[in-house]
Amino acid sequence: DSGVTQTPKHLITATGQRVTLRCSPRSGDLSVYWYQQSLDQGLQFLIQYYNGEERAKGNILERFSAQQFPDLHSELNLSSLELGDSALYFCASSVGIGPERMNTEAFFGQGTRLTVV
Amino acid sequence: AQSVAQPEDQVNVAEGNPLTVKCTYSVSGNPYLFWYVQYPNRGLQFLLKYITGDNLVKGSYGFEAEFNKSQTSFHLKKPSALVSDSALYFCAVRSINAGNMLTFGGGTRLMVKP
Repeated sequence: DSGVTQTPKHLITATGQRVTLRCSPRSGDLSVYWYQQSLDQGLQFLIQYYNGEERAKGNILERFSAQQFPDLHSELNLSSLELGDSALYFCASSVGIGPERMNTEAFFGQGTRLTVV
Repeated sequence: AQSVAQPEDQVNVAEGNPLTVKCTYSVSGNPYLFWYVQYPNRGLQFLLKYITGDNLVKGSYGFEAEFNKSQTSFHLKKPSALVSDSALYFCAVRSINAGNMLTFGGGTRLMVKP
Protein backbone atom coordinates (compact mmCIF):
# COMPACT_ATOMS: atom_id res chain seq x y z
CA ASP A 1 0.00 0.00 0.00
CA SER A 2 1.55 3.29 -1.17
CA GLY A 3 -0.53 5.45 1.15
CA VAL A 4 -2.05 7.36 -1.77
CA THR A 5 -5.81 6.86 -2.06
CA GLN A 6 -7.80 7.42 -5.21
CA THR A 7 -11.55 7.25 -5.56
CA PRO A 8 -13.47 5.93 -7.30
CA LYS A 9 -11.60 2.91 -8.64
CA HIS A 10 -13.87 2.60 -11.65
CA LEU A 11 -16.11 5.10 -13.38
CA ILE A 12 -18.35 4.60 -16.40
CA THR A 13 -20.02 7.63 -17.89
CA ALA A 14 -21.49 8.90 -21.13
CA THR A 15 -19.98 11.29 -23.62
CA GLY A 16 -20.56 14.92 -22.79
CA GLN A 17 -20.72 14.30 -19.07
CA ARG A 18 -18.50 15.65 -16.29
CA VAL A 19 -16.72 13.63 -13.62
CA THR A 20 -14.52 14.34 -10.62
CA LEU A 21 -11.65 12.12 -9.57
CA ARG A 22 -10.34 12.38 -6.05
CA CYS A 23 -6.90 11.82 -4.59
CA SER A 24 -5.67 11.80 -1.00
CA PRO A 25 -1.87 12.01 -0.83
CA ARG A 26 0.36 10.21 1.62
CA SER A 27 0.46 11.73 5.05
CA GLY A 28 2.98 14.57 5.03
CA ASP A 29 3.26 14.85 1.26
CA LEU A 30 2.58 18.33 -0.05
CA SER A 31 3.00 17.72 -3.76
CA VAL A 32 0.39 15.98 -5.91
CA TYR A 33 0.73 14.94 -9.55
CA TRP A 34 -1.90 13.74 -11.99
CA TYR A 35 -1.09 11.42 -14.88
CA GLN A 36 -3.14 9.88 -17.65
CA GLN A 37 -2.38 6.40 -18.96
CA SER A 38 -4.23 5.44 -22.10
CA LEU A 39 -4.43 1.87 -23.35
CA ASP A 40 -0.99 0.56 -24.22
CA GLN A 41 0.54 3.98 -23.73
CA GLY A 42 2.89 5.49 -21.26
CA LEU A 43 2.17 8.01 -18.58
CA GLN A 44 1.23 11.46 -19.73
CA PHE A 45 1.82 14.16 -17.15
CA LEU A 46 -1.22 16.37 -16.68
CA ILE A 47 -0.63 18.73 -13.80
CA GLN A 48 1.16 19.18 -10.48
CA TYR A 49 0.13 20.98 -7.31
CA TYR A 50 2.20 21.90 -4.31
CA ASN A 51 0.56 22.97 -1.07
CA GLY A 52 -2.52 24.21 -2.87
CA GLU A 53 -0.83 25.98 -5.74
CA GLU A 54 -0.40 24.84 -9.32
CA ARG A 55 3.31 24.31 -10.02
CA ALA A 56 3.56 22.61 -13.40
CA LYS A 57 1.24 21.88 -16.25
CA GLY A 58 1.68 19.24 -18.92
CA ASN A 59 -0.51 18.21 -21.81
CA ILE A 60 -3.75 18.85 -19.99
CA LEU A 61 -6.79 19.63 -22.10
CA GLU A 62 -8.77 22.79 -21.45
CA ARG A 63 -11.76 20.57 -20.63
CA PHE A 64 -9.78 19.25 -17.69
CA SER A 65 -9.01 21.12 -14.50
CA ALA A 66 -7.66 20.31 -11.07
CA GLN A 67 -7.24 21.79 -7.65
CA GLN A 68 -5.63 20.99 -4.34
CA PHE A 69 -7.53 21.81 -1.19
CA PRO A 70 -6.25 23.06 2.19
CA ASP A 71 -6.32 19.52 3.57
CA LEU A 72 -4.03 18.63 0.61
CA HIS A 73 -6.40 16.28 -1.15
CA SER A 74 -6.75 16.94 -4.85
CA GLU A 75 -9.50 16.64 -7.40
CA LEU A 76 -9.26 16.27 -11.16
CA ASN A 77 -12.33 17.48 -13.02
CA LEU A 78 -12.98 16.18 -16.52
CA SER A 79 -15.81 17.77 -18.49
CA SER A 80 -17.44 17.39 -21.90
CA LEU A 81 -16.09 13.88 -21.92
CA GLU A 82 -15.18 12.19 -25.17
CA LEU A 83 -14.58 8.53 -25.99
CA GLY A 84 -10.87 9.27 -26.23
CA ASP A 85 -10.77 10.35 -22.60
CA SER A 86 -11.19 6.74 -21.55
CA ALA A 87 -8.02 5.94 -19.64
CA LEU A 88 -6.46 5.14 -16.31
CA TYR A 89 -5.88 8.30 -14.29
CA PHE A 90 -3.19 8.18 -11.65
CA CYS A 91 -2.44 10.46 -8.79
CA ALA A 92 0.98 10.49 -7.18
CA SER A 93 2.36 12.36 -4.22
CA SER A 94 5.79 13.29 -2.97
CA VAL A 95 7.20 15.20 -0.07
CA GLY A 96 7.72 18.51 -1.79
CA ILE A 97 9.68 20.58 -4.24
CA GLY A 98 12.99 22.35 -4.31
CA PRO A 99 16.56 21.17 -4.80
CA GLU A 100 16.61 19.29 -1.54
CA ARG A 101 13.60 17.22 -2.62
CA MET A 102 14.87 16.08 -6.00
CA ASN A 103 15.93 12.73 -4.60
CA THR A 104 12.54 11.76 -3.21
CA GLU A 105 10.43 9.31 -5.11
CA ALA A 106 6.77 9.80 -5.86
CA PHE A 107 4.20 7.31 -4.61
CA PHE A 108 1.30 6.33 -6.81
CA GLY A 109 -2.29 5.51 -6.09
CA GLN A 110 -4.08 2.54 -7.64
CA GLY A 111 -5.66 4.75 -10.27
CA THR A 112 -9.17 5.49 -11.45
CA ARG A 113 -10.24 3.67 -14.59
CA LEU A 114 -12.52 5.96 -16.55
CA THR A 115 -14.64 4.51 -19.32
CA VAL A 116 -16.58 6.89 -21.53
CA VAL A 117 -19.37 5.25 -23.53
CA ALA B 1 13.02 20.06 -21.68
CA GLN B 2 13.78 16.73 -20.10
CA SER B 3 12.85 13.45 -21.69
CA VAL B 4 13.19 9.71 -21.23
CA ALA B 5 13.37 7.03 -23.90
CA GLN B 6 12.76 3.34 -23.46
CA PRO B 7 13.70 1.94 -26.85
CA GLU B 8 12.09 -1.47 -26.42
CA ASP B 9 8.33 -1.87 -26.20
CA GLN B 10 8.79 -5.44 -25.01
CA VAL B 11 11.60 -7.58 -23.66
CA ASN B 12 11.33 -11.35 -23.62
CA VAL B 13 13.55 -13.45 -21.41
CA ALA B 14 13.55 -17.01 -20.12
CA GLU B 15 13.21 -17.63 -16.40
CA GLY B 16 16.59 -17.83 -14.74
CA ASN B 17 18.33 -15.76 -17.39
CA PRO B 18 19.60 -12.24 -16.77
CA LEU B 19 17.42 -9.38 -17.93
CA THR B 20 18.07 -5.81 -19.00
CA VAL B 21 15.51 -3.11 -19.62
CA LYS B 22 17.01 -0.09 -21.33
CA CYS B 23 16.50 3.57 -20.52
CA THR B 24 18.18 6.71 -21.82
CA TYR B 25 17.49 10.24 -20.69
CA SER B 26 18.00 13.83 -21.65
CA VAL B 27 18.15 16.61 -19.08
CA SER B 28 19.79 19.92 -18.49
CA GLY B 29 21.84 19.51 -15.37
CA ASN B 30 22.22 16.58 -13.03
CA PRO B 31 19.58 13.87 -13.37
CA TYR B 32 17.68 12.09 -10.65
CA LEU B 33 16.58 8.75 -12.10
CA PHE B 34 13.90 6.32 -11.02
CA TRP B 35 12.51 2.95 -12.02
CA TYR B 36 8.91 1.94 -11.38
CA VAL B 37 7.03 -1.30 -12.04
CA GLN B 38 3.35 -1.65 -12.86
CA TYR B 39 1.49 -4.93 -12.48
CA PRO B 40 -1.86 -5.41 -14.27
CA ASN B 41 -4.61 -3.17 -12.92
CA ARG B 42 -2.29 -1.70 -10.32
CA GLY B 43 -0.55 1.57 -9.69
CA LEU B 44 3.13 2.14 -10.16
CA GLN B 45 5.46 0.80 -7.51
CA PHE B 46 8.84 2.36 -6.85
CA LEU B 47 11.80 0.02 -7.49
CA LEU B 48 14.95 2.08 -7.14
CA LYS B 49 16.55 5.44 -7.72
CA TYR B 50 19.86 7.04 -8.60
CA ILE B 51 20.73 10.31 -6.94
CA THR B 52 24.50 10.47 -6.73
CA GLY B 53 27.46 8.33 -5.81
CA ASP B 54 27.85 4.71 -6.81
CA ASN B 55 26.78 4.11 -10.39
CA LEU B 56 25.27 0.74 -9.52
CA VAL B 57 22.08 1.10 -7.56
CA LYS B 58 20.33 -1.79 -5.85
CA GLY B 59 16.60 -1.83 -5.33
CA SER B 60 13.61 -3.98 -4.49
CA TYR B 61 13.02 -7.59 -5.57
CA GLY B 62 16.65 -8.14 -6.62
CA PHE B 63 16.65 -5.43 -9.25
CA GLU B 64 19.57 -3.11 -9.84
CA ALA B 65 20.32 -0.33 -12.28
CA GLU B 66 23.49 1.05 -13.73
CA PHE B 67 23.92 4.77 -14.26
CA ASN B 68 26.19 5.76 -17.14
CA LYS B 69 26.67 9.49 -17.43
CA SER B 70 28.60 9.45 -20.70
CA GLN B 71 25.90 7.38 -22.41
CA THR B 72 23.06 9.12 -20.52
CA SER B 73 21.63 5.73 -19.67
CA PHE B 74 20.09 4.08 -16.65
CA HIS B 75 19.44 0.45 -17.56
CA LEU B 76 17.51 -1.82 -15.24
CA LYS B 77 18.99 -5.25 -14.62
CA LYS B 78 18.40 -8.46 -12.74
CA PRO B 79 20.81 -11.42 -12.67
CA SER B 80 18.10 -14.09 -12.75
CA ALA B 81 14.59 -13.36 -13.98
CA LEU B 82 11.44 -14.78 -12.40
CA VAL B 83 8.10 -15.37 -14.09
CA SER B 84 6.62 -13.07 -11.45
CA ASP B 85 8.81 -10.23 -12.76
CA SER B 86 6.56 -10.02 -15.83
CA ALA B 87 5.12 -6.52 -15.75
CA LEU B 88 5.37 -3.05 -17.27
CA TYR B 89 8.47 -1.11 -16.31
CA PHE B 90 8.85 2.65 -16.42
CA CYS B 91 11.96 4.77 -16.22
CA ALA B 92 11.59 8.36 -14.98
CA VAL B 93 13.78 11.43 -14.59
CA ARG B 94 13.67 14.58 -12.55
CA SER B 95 16.05 17.53 -12.64
CA ILE B 96 16.37 20.83 -10.84
CA ASN B 97 16.14 22.73 -14.11
CA ALA B 98 12.70 21.23 -14.74
CA GLY B 99 11.38 21.94 -11.29
CA ASN B 100 9.89 18.95 -9.54
CA MET B 101 8.35 17.45 -12.65
CA LEU B 102 8.76 13.71 -12.95
CA THR B 103 8.96 12.69 -16.60
CA PHE B 104 8.35 9.09 -17.59
CA GLY B 105 9.45 6.98 -20.51
CA GLY B 106 6.93 5.09 -22.62
CA GLY B 107 7.31 1.89 -20.65
CA THR B 108 8.71 -1.55 -21.49
CA ARG B 109 6.72 -4.72 -21.09
CA LEU B 110 8.84 -7.50 -19.62
CA MET B 111 7.73 -11.05 -20.38
CA VAL B 112 9.52 -13.81 -18.49
CA LYS B 113 8.71 -17.27 -19.79
CA PRO B 114 9.11 -20.47 -17.79
